[in-house]
Amino acid sequence: GESVGLHLPTLSVQEGDNSIINCAYSNSASDYFIWYKQESGKGPQFIIDIRSNMDKRQGQRVTVLLNKTVKHLSLQIAATQPGDSAVYFCAENIAGNTPLVFGKGTRLSVIA
Amino acid sequence: KAGVTQTPRYLIKTRGQQVTLSCSPISGHRSVSWYQQTPGQGLQFLFEYFSETQRNKGNFPGRFSGRQFSNSRSEMNVSTLELGDSALYLCASSFWGGTNTEAFFGQGTRLTVV
Repeated sequence: GESVGLHLPTLSVQEGDNSIINCAYSNSASDYFIWYKQESGKGPQFIIDIRSNMDKRQGQRVTVLLNKTVKHLSLQIAATQPGDSAVYFCAENIAGNTPLVFGKGTRLSVIA
Repeated sequence: KAGVTQTPRYLIKTRGQQVTLSCSPISGHRSVSWYQQTPGQGLQFLFEYFSETQRNKGNFPGRFSGRQFSNSRSEMNVSTLELGDSALYLCASSFWGGTNTEAFFGQGTRLTVV
C-alpha cells in the first residue's frame, strides 16, 4: 500500500544513468546523517550513513556527500536500476541520543 | 537475524476508540523509536524508549503513549482516536539509539480511523 507523500519532489532517470538526490538539512549541530530508501508498502530501509567529520562515503553503487558549509547532503546512485525506484529520505541526528529528524523525501522513478 | 516486527500490519478503528500497536526490535537492540508517517507531514517522531524508559518525546498530544518491556519489545497506544490519526506507524530499533547508530525500521502498521 501507499506509504509516502503524494506531492514529493520527483526525479526521473533512465535505467543505467546515475542519479543524484539532494537534501538540505536543518540543524548545523547535526553530526550524523543517514539515507533511507522506502518502497511502497514497506518501512524505510537503511542505505548509507555519514558522520560530520567526513565529507564523502561510498557504499555499493551509492555515494553520500556532505557539505557542512551549506548544510547539504546528497546521495548518488550509480547505474540506476528499476529496483532503485522508491522514495528516498535523508535523516539527521544531533549528538546526545536525540531522535532522527527526517526530510520530506524525494521520489525516484527509473525509466526502463 | 530477524528484523523489526510490527503487528498488526493493518488496522481499522472508529473515532473515539483506542488502539495498541506492537513492535519487536532486532534481538539485542535496546532502543525503540516510534514515528508517524502521513502524506502531508512525512515522518514525525513520536517517542523513543531505551531500557524501559522514555528517553525522548516528540510533539504529539498526550493521547499518544508508549511503553517498553524488559525484553525491549515496545507498544504504543493511541486513545480517543481522531480521523487525523490515520497514518502509517513505524517503529525503528537500534542498539543504543541516538547518534552514530543505524536505526532499522519495521514495515509499519497502517492505521485507518473511520
